Amino acid sequence: NAGVMQNPRHLVRRRGQEARLRCSPMKGHSHVYWYRQLPEEGLKFMVYLQKENIIDESGMPKERFSAEFPKEGPSILRIQQVVRGDSAAYFCASSLGLADLNEQFFGPGTRLTVL
Amino acid sequence: GENVEQHPSTLSVQEGDSAVIKCTYSDSASNYFPWYKQELGKRPQLIIDIRSNVGEKKDQRIAVTLNKTAKHFSLHITETQPEDSAVYFCAAAKYYFGAGTRLFVKA
Repeated sequence: NAGVMQNPRHLVRRRGQEARLRCSPMKGHSHVYWYRQLPEEGLKFMVYLQKENIIDESGMPKERFSAEFPKEGPSILRIQQVVRGDSAAYFCASSLGLADLNEQFFGPGTRLTVL
Repeated sequence: GENVEQHPSTLSVQEGDSAVIKCTYSDSASNYFPWYKQELGKRPQLIIDIRSNVGEKKDQRIAVTLNKTAKHFSLHITETQPEDSAVYFCAAAKYYFGAGTRLFVKA
């Protein structure tokens, strides 16, 4: 049973370009979470999705960021017109059920560098 | 969002000593309290968790205690080893994490 997969593992973008980060949850998991981690800092919640629905996006910046989890395929975190401050590690996690009762399994992360 | 505070931010202990990390939370509806370990450059991984109907849980050298009335929970690592050196995160209220504790275990 493969764990949570993320790709790419490393992504370099120039200011103003778009970044697309992909996350495939563990088999059977329908709950996906995205987090941002700056160097030497904690995990900051961004968005929680279930299949085809955004459940909670209270941690996501209002502009330039969007997320989706289609019926088929991976969850995608999209950052438009990237700026240097977007450079960070982005982790996704998945759980079998609600996060307030179930363990989250993390992917290896995507390290985004904005030049 | 929910406020989860974690202390200390850095902890240095001698090999064989115990380490204690504490977290407080504000959402009284929280029912699940996991602890994650993150090694440098790696993903966070669950090491122990506790649910609100239990006051204490132990797994070998690791234990977690929960005081729901006071809204705080703690991670206890006994007989620390150099491989315990990592950053430890607590979480509460679904997906809110503490800022992390960097644990150094000196051989």
